[in-house]
Order: sequence, then structure tokens, then C-alpha cells
Amino acid sequence: GENVEQHPSTLSVQEGDSAVIKCTYSDSASNYFPWYKQELGKRPQLIIDIRSNVGEKKDQRIAVTLNKTAKHFSLHITETQPEDSAVYFCAASGYSTLTFGKGTMLLVSP
Amino acid sequence: DAGVIQSPRHEVTEMGQEVTLRCKPISGHDYLFWYRQTMMRGLELLIYFNNNVPIDDSGMPEDRFSAKMPNASFSTLKIQPSEPRDSAVYFCASSFGQGSDEQFFGPGTRLTVL
Repeated sequence: GENVEQHPSTLSVQEGDSAVIKCTYSDSASNYFPWYKQELGKRPQLIIDIRSNVGEKKDQRIAVTLNKTAKHFSLHITETQPEDSAVYFCAASGYSTLTFGKGTMLLVSP
Repeated sequence: DAGVIQSPRHEVTEMGQEVTLRCKPISGHDYLFWYRQTMMRGLELLIYFNNNVPIDDSGMPEDRFSAKMPNASFSTLKIQPSEPRDSAVYFCASSFGQGSDEQFFGPGTRLTVL
């Protein structure tokens, strides 16, 4: 089955800096790569996703890139704000279900 | 739509007791997923249903765990007997499609087994 590795496990940045979270996957058949944000004590919520026919996607301060050859994808957050502090999960899916990475705890200090 | 609804939000029980977690998916969603979240293992898929039929239960850790979906608007996850290592947050999620559709998560049930 699919295996998703996510790094780093913890990331601390100053407000205004950029943050990058990286994931690799094992199943070349995977074609859907969502990112979820989970605030403390809350449910995971989708923030952005990308499909295998697209190399990059942006939504305001958030962007995701995909390299299918290398089987890795990344989340980029620019101009970080304290409210970006949360755990971020990447996931990968082909026809079947989502497989999640272990998560990255992002801490943004004012 | 109110989103995915789960109950109870918190459950504290003693080892050996039966625990039943409940979920109401978003109306019109054909897929329902049960996940378990712990610090050590992250988000693990336990089982998922399509049109009320269990499709893959390979993530269910033991025979102590069982899940049902008697109709399109209700599912249960049962643990009998419960053990301290079952303590976790259990999420239910639903989606319109399978692999490449957004999954909407419920608020979760925080289970503590003493």
C-alpha cells in the first residue's frame, strides 16, 4: 500500500517568515495530494490540494508543488502569521483511500 | 448542512467496558471513514464504507473493534471490551467520492479508557 513520509515533525518560525513542509510518497499510481490543517483540539480541515496533472497550485499565502518523477510534494506558506500555528498533514491517494503523513507542528512566534 | 456529526464528544470509561461511538455523515456523501488519531501513530484509517457497505476494514486493530452502517445517515464504531491502549481521538469523515475527493471530518470523540 501507499506510504507517506512527512518532514519536519516540528517547525518553528518567526512571524513573517516562510515555512516549507515536505512529503514523499511510495505509490506511483497516486494522483491526489491534499493538505489538511488541524488546530489544537479541532478537526483536520482541507486547506489546499493538488492533482497529478498540475505541478503547482497557489491560494493566497499558501502554495503546493508536486514532483511526480521524484514522488514528492511540498506545502509553502509565505508571510506566516500566529494563526498559522497548527499541525499540518499531507496525504496521498490513488483510486483508493487517503494515506496521511505523521504531521508537522508549525509554531509561528510573534 | 451541519457537517459531519459525532457523539459523544468525550467518553471516559473503565477497562473492559463496551464503548459505542456514533457518526452522522453529510447528506449525499457516499463514503464514510473512521479514523483513530494518536500522538504515536498519527491518523490511522480503521474502516470505510461505500453506500453503507464496508469496503476495507484492514485497519481495524483487533476483533474487539467493530463498525456498522445500517443506513446512509448513521454509523457506529464499537469497542468491546475496551482497553487503556484504545485511548485516542476517533474521527469520522465523509466524502462524495473515494480517493480524490475532499474528506470532511467530524469534531471527533476523545476516548479515555482507565
